[in-house]
Amino acid sequence: GDSVTQMEGPVTLSEEAFLTINCTYTATGYPSLFWYVQYPGEGLQLLLKATKADDKGSNKGFEATYRKETTSFHLEKGSVQVSDSAVYFCALPQFADKLIFGTGTRLQVFP
Amino acid sequence: DTEVTQTPKHLVMGMTNKKSLKCEQHMGHRAMYWYKQKAKKPPELMFVYSYEKLSINESVPSRFSPECPNSSLLNLHLHALQPEDSALYLCASSPRELAGRYNEQFFGPGTRLTVL
Repeated sequence: GDSVTQMEGPVTLSEEAFLTINCTYTATGYPSLFWYVQYPGEGLQLLLKATKADDKGSNKGFEATYRKETTSFHLEKGSVQVSDSAVYFCALPQFADKLIFGTGTRLQVFP
Repeated sequence: DTEVTQTPKHLVMGMTNKKSLKCEQHMGHRAMYWYKQKAKKPPELMFVYSYEKLSINESVPSRFSPECPNSSLLNLHLHALQPEDSALYLCASSPRELAGRYNEQFFGPGTRLTVL
């Protein structure tokens, strides 16, 4: 069946460091892919999305490219800030309105 | 209005109480969801309403009872909960504009529930 595998956290970085959070997926067909972010004490926000192979989603300095050949959708940011500290979830939509979430990766950025 | 709202933000209840969680969206979305999220875990789907009809119940105990009075409103009625039901309860909505596996979900801020 379909699945999402996300790198374990926490990821601890200094401000202005480069960020990569790995996400790989197994899916039949060609679904969209999403990254959601959850800040402390809040709900999930859609950070970015890609709807087809080779699409690049981007938002707030974050980017992710939908790579069919490696079945990956890694999240990257060139220079993280303290305010980026949050939990990041990779997600794969299913038929019948379901979302498969990765386990989540906690990012901690220190000044 | 481009957001999903949830009330209350926090709720503390005893095991014999009856309470309700409320969710509202005014984006014209036709699918609405309830999720339960425990600490350090991803959200777990509980219920899906599609066009105001219950389409998915993920084998949720009957002490949780969903209701969709209209296309903008979703309730979750709680009765005789257990301490292990303490969690963050998230509501979401989706436009369902695209057939297939393309529709993102928009989440509310959640209700932090504590069962004593």
